[in-house]
Amino acid sequence: QKEVEQDPGPLSVPEGAIVSLNCTYSNSAFQYFMWYRQYSRKGPELLMYTYSSGNKEDGRFTAQVDKSSKYISLFIRDSQPSDSATYLCAMSLFSGSARQLTFGSGTQLTVLP
Amino acid sequence: EAQVTQNPRYLITVTGKKLTVTCSQNMNHEYMSWYRQDPGLGLRQIYYSMNVEVTDKGDVPEGYKVSRKEKRNFPLILESPSPNQTSLYFCASSYRQWETQYFGPGTRLLVL
Repeated sequence: QKEVEQDPGPLSVPEGAIVSLNCTYSNSAFQYFMWYRQYSRKGPELLMYTYSSGNKEDGRFTAQVDKSSKYISLFIRDSQPSDSATYLCAMSLFSGSARQLTFGSGTQLTVLP
Repeated sequence: EAQVTQNPRYLITVTGKKLTVTCSQNMNHEYMSWYRQDPGLGLRQIYYSMNVEVTDKGDVPEGYKVSRKEKRNFPLILESPSPNQTSLYFCASSYRQWETQYFGPGTRLLVL
């Protein structure tokens, strides 16, 4: 079983839709949770970063962490064609860990105009 | 412009022919890392370096070597490439190991 599971999609939605992207994980020691966005033929870029359980909002993006269920989500409101990309969840142990990030396999999202 | 650069961006080689992929960052970051990205497997860490002359294995280090002689550079060496090392490789850096990582543009490698 992988430490981090992510539905690969592809996911296709109309412009303006609310998008929900999810990851589950098995290691309860993970404390830092991130979402990266990767455009085609580009390196990943950090989108959202949260610590422990709870919600964090940044513009149209909301990251949600439920540590009791070992489940994290990224919500995109009013999705735009420019949001079309692969979204990778990533998580990390405590800040002093020598191993940094464990990534999900990514969900490919297409927002149709 | 703050960035991580990788060279080459694309490489086709044959089994057993040694190659080096360079990585350089201009942000004075201490932490650098190499990942490979394969369909369905996501990003997996190969090696990382916490500072000059300090390197350690990630999740999939077999068949790879690295060195960190200068803070800005972190080359990835494949001494004897094999077809199962065909992949998309990313270099990343951050000021500290737990902080935001900045990724390079990627190197697509095909080993025949």
